[in-house]
Amino acid sequence: DSGVTQTPKHLITATGQRVTLRCSPRSGDLSVYWYQQSLDQGLQFLIQYYNGEERAKGNILERFSAQQFPDLHSELNLSSLELGDSALYFCASSVGPDTQYFGPGTRLTVL
Amino acid sequence: GEDVEQSLFLSVREGDSSVINCTYTDSSSTYLYWYKQEPGAGLQLLTYIFSNMDMKQDQRLTVLLNKKDKHLSLRIADTQTGDSAIYFCAEFILTGGGNKLTFGTGTQLKVEL
Repeated sequence: DSGVTQTPKHLITATGQRVTLRCSPRSGDLSVYWYQQSLDQGLQFLIQYYNGEERAKGNILERFSAQQFPDLHSELNLSSLELGDSALYFCASSVGPDTQYFGPGTRLTVL
Repeated sequence: GEDVEQSLFLSVREGDSSVINCTYTDSSSTYLYWYKQEPGAGLQLLTYIFSNMDMKQDQRLTVLLNKKDKHLSLRIADTQTGDSAIYFCAEFILTGGGNKLTFGTGTQLKVEL
């Protein structure tokens, strides 16, 4: 158990819908990262937050947004969902730059 | 560039050593990592190496880093069936005011009896 929690574990929704994925980092970790894992793209970095501020952005679609709250938990919002958004979404946290610990992931299925 | 490459499959017999290889392209990477992913599970951090090191050993795991050739390897001694999983190498990249990990495609390790 990495100490990073993600909810929900599974999510099934329809095209055009909007969903919110939630992540609680390890106690004391200020950085939160979001990654997407899909069969065609592999593991891709989406976005990083540090202590509530966006720090780095990857190949995140404009339909996707994220935020980190004062209690350091983070949410990833996915809107106007398409079939191709079906993937495993991971959250990771770190206290320093050297190690990222990953949560169990949220499996999103868009029908 | 930020490409990390790995071979897709490796099959070994139980008790043998496994060697999983990775090449990366960003010479400024300060940390390189190995993660393990079992079916239906998240990414488990196995070990990492700082770029000024050539080797790191942690129980059955040995990481070798050839910075000149940008080559990283993970050796698992006495491989067990429980080691069957996908192994990802990743490099630490500074980007903008933050950082990220760039992952390889993953190597599926199959351990046969």
